[in-house]
Amino acid sequence: GDSVTQMEGPVTLSEEAFLTINCTYTATGYPSLFWYVQYPGEGLQLLLKATKADDKGSNKGFEATYRKETTSFHLEKGSVQVSDSAVYFCALTPSGGYQKVTFGTGTKLQVIP
Amino acid sequence: GAVVSQHPSWVICKSGTSVKIECRSLDFQATTMFWYRQFPKQSLMLMATSNEGSKATYEQGVEKDKFLINHASLTLSTLTVTSAHPEDSSFYICSVPGGSEETQYFGPGTRLLVL
Repeated sequence: GDSVTQMEGPVTLSEEAFLTINCTYTATGYPSLFWYVQYPGEGLQLLLKATKADDKGSNKGFEATYRKETTSFHLEKGSVQVSDSAVYFCALTPSGGYQKVTFGTGTKLQVIP
Repeated sequence: GAVVSQHPSWVICKSGTSVKIECRSLDFQATTMFWYRQFPKQSLMLMATSNEGSKATYEQGVEKDKFLINHASLTLSTLTVTSAHPEDSSFYICSVPGGSEETQYFGPGTRLLVL
């Protein structure tokens, strides 16, 4: 079955540091890939997505590129802020339009001033 | 503004009682909704797919008699945890498919604590 593997946290960074959270997936065909963010006390929010190979999703300074050859969708941000502290989930939905979402285990990011 | 709401946001109940959680789609009519469960420091696990006007589809290992799902209208799905036990304590989240096939909108979640 489909699966998503992401790096374990927590990740602690100083403000303005560079962020990378690794994510790899296993799925048949061409799934759509997502990063969701969960701020403390809030529900999941879609951060960015990519629906086909080599697509780059971006939002709020975060980026991730759909790499079919390495089955990866790593999340990056050039300069993190304290307000980016949250849990980040990598996820996929299978190709074919069925909307069942498979999530990674989540990576907690803490940004310190 | 919020696209999906859940009620209650948190609930504490005694062991053996039943708890009903509502999920409302505020902007979309949804023939399908999804229910997830999130354990502490773990990912979301899909429990079941709620289908308007028909029976829910449960994932393997999820007890359908334990977690009753009713999709009464195009904007409301309910999850009832029957005869709750402490091991049912968790964070329950619903989602609604959005305008495109890849988009999901998640509710804010309901935290259940069974004493």
